[in-house]
Amino acid sequence: AQRVTQPEKLLSVFKGAPVELKCNYSYSGSPELFWYVQYSRQRLQLLLRHISRESIKGFTADLNKGETSFHLKKPFAQEEDSAMYYCALKGTGGGNKLTFGTGTQLKVEL
Amino acid sequence: GAGVSQSPSNKVTEKGKDVELRCDPISGHTALYWYRQSLGQGLEFLIYFQGNSAPDKSGLPSDRFSAERTGGSVSTLTIQRTQQEDSAVYLCASSSRQANTGELFFGEGSRLTVL
Repeated sequence: AQRVTQPEKLLSVFKGAPVELKCNYSYSGSPELFWYVQYSRQRLQLLLRHISRESIKGFTADLNKGETSFHLKKPFAQEEDSAMYYCALKGTGGGNKLTFGTGTQLKVEL
Repeated sequence: GAGVSQSPSNKVTEKGKDVELRCDPISGHTALYWYRQSLGQGLEFLIYFQGNSAPDKSGLPSDRFSAERTGGSVSTLTIQRTQQEDSAVYLCASSSRQANTGELFFGEGSRLTVL
């Protein structure tokens, strides 16, 4: 079985402070991990995928297989980062079927 | 438009009634997914269609839930004898089989409220 855990329902930080949204997963095979984001009154959309090893809007995430984690980080939070963030796992097979975590609401305060 | 389209955007129904939610995927996308989004539960996978293959129904919570996809395009999610715990936002997504990248394109969702 595959599972994604996001322990924080709400994370509140001040503008300019570092951000780390935690994500842990459980999967017996070799997973692919993703972060999706939903801004207020917008559709859920892909933020970044671990395979690409990219930085999007200043966010990065490194897959740590030893700790089975895929935490999302940004060194300096901006007000426009306030959104709901979901960590997701794609197992082998099953096309693009994703297992999502429960989400973390990030609130960046001025 | 070019995005995933869902209707209705809002649906209020009485307990025990049946509801149908519709999803029109991005043209050319062969895969279609239904998820349920509720507070504290995150996004729960419901069902997945890929081309002409048998759908993956492993996420449907009960036999009151069913879905079909006609002509490999539009999909309808049906909830029979609705219960209050069915209240949630039902999200549809589609993806291209050729781009097995994990990127799903989501609709705006159908918010269901069961009174």
